[in-house]
Amino acid sequence: DIQMTQSPSSLSASVGDRVTITCRASQTISSYLNWYQQKPGKAPKLLIYAPSTLESGVPSRFSGSGSGTDFTLTISNLQPEDFATYFCQQSYSTPWTFGQGTKVEIK
Amino acid sequence: QVQLQESGPGLVKPSQTLSLTCTVSGDSIGSGGYYWTWIRQHPGKGLEWIGYIQYSKNTYYNPSLTSRVTISEDTSENQFSLRLTSVTAADTAVYYCARGARKGVIVADTFDYWGQGTLVTVSS
Repeated sequence: DIQMTQSPSSLSASVGDRVTITCRASQTISSYLNWYQQKPGKAPKLLIYAPSTLESGVPSRFSGSGSGTDFTLTISNLQPEDFATYFCQQSYSTPWTFGQGTKVEIK
Repeated sequence: QVQLQESGPGLVKPSQTLSLTCTVSGDSIGSGGYYWTWIRQHPGKGLEWIGYIQYSKNTYYNPSLTSRVTISEDTSENQFSLRLTSVTAADTAVYYCARGARKGVIVADTFDYWGQGTLVTVSS
């Protein structure tokens, strides 16, 4: 299985900050990397796929980049509704696997 | 708008079978083009893909669970189901059903619609 490792596991930030989350794959996954946002008690929501295309309706302050093994999710101008946990997911090969999550908390 | 809703027992005894159903509205599961997926999340942990069903009968499972899992569908009811046999406490999790969709130029597999999730606890 391809292991996905996110860093940091949590971070504290303020409204208006720029936040960067990293996801590393244990082997190359080309551009087959997706990002999800999960709020407490809710299902994950697809944010970005392949690895820089925003899902319909997702604000442009979210962006994704990377290829191969290293990927980044950036949130510019952090908003109150962005405080959540973010997961990466590889779709390069089955079994599809997820990172352990990065919790973005209010400073 | 596509909506998915999980249903089933919230408590299962060890060694018994976990059975959940996902009811889909806003899309037809038999129409093809998407794959109907189960994913679980252990308490406070990450997500684990369980498997999917597509084109009415094609199934694919996570190798770590394949000996215990079956996903089936009832197109007349627009539902698909999960059966997990011989459960243990390690199977305690929130179980989500989701729609798998291939997106983008590179045809990336994503999960674009999810149910709200249902907590299943394995305990005697």
